[in-house]
Amino acid sequence: EVRLLESGGALVQPGGSLGLSCAASGFPFSSYAMIWVRQAPGKGLEWVSTISGSGGSTYYADSVKGRFTISRDNSKSTLSLQMNGLRADDTAVYYCAKDLDYGDSYNWFDPWGRGTLVTVSS
Amino acid sequence: DIQLTQSPSSLPASVGDRVSITCRASQSISSFLNWYQQKPGKAPKLLISAASILRSGVPSRFSGSGSGTDFTLTINNLQPEDFATYYCQQSYNSPPITFGQGTRLDIK
Repeated sequence: EVRLLESGGALVQPGGSLGLSCAASGFPFSSYAMIWVRQAPGKGLEWVSTISGSGGSTYYADSVKGRFTISRDNSKSTLSLQMNGLRADDTAVYYCAKDLDYGDSYNWFDPWGRGTLVTVSS
Repeated sequence: DIQLTQSPSSLPASVGDRVSITCRASQSISSFLNWYQQKPGKAPKLLISAASILRSGVPSRFSGSGSGTDFTLTINNLQPEDFATYYCQQSYNSPPITFGQGTRLDIK
């Protein structure tokens, strides 16, 4: 069974940093692209970042470019998101999700983890 | 970036109804359109990929159609467990991917 479990969410002050992790199991992790998607309280879904299976290609939404860094450790089946320069509008539940297709199709994503809450507030 | 507009934003319905949700893209996206279901406090779940392919385990009362810029998610014979929020998502020239703003399906 494919499982994704996010961790690392916390309350952080504006301008601060936070690292999120997504522990994956049940599939050959290095063979699948992964994404981060966030959802602000009461709002819709917003794509944050994508990383290829090898980790060699990364992509970011304009809203986080230059502040967030996506990475993966294929030896540990772990996806990460390092968030710097956090702002109030980064407050959201952050989900990791797996590319449905083997290889780097970047088309459709399932399953998703349960999410981890990041709150940016003083 | 490609924008997706869902309608309606809110849809009251009753058990047993047939409902449709539309998603319009700001440019042609061929069939690179997926539908997700999200229940309160839960992660989104992929229902339909490539506009019309029902994912394994998804009830056959769900169906998707469309191509180009106009897409539809239809649910026949609504069941109590179907009341949720539905999002469309495009992956044409992904990344980036974008989502529609969501349609909340409520009990009438």
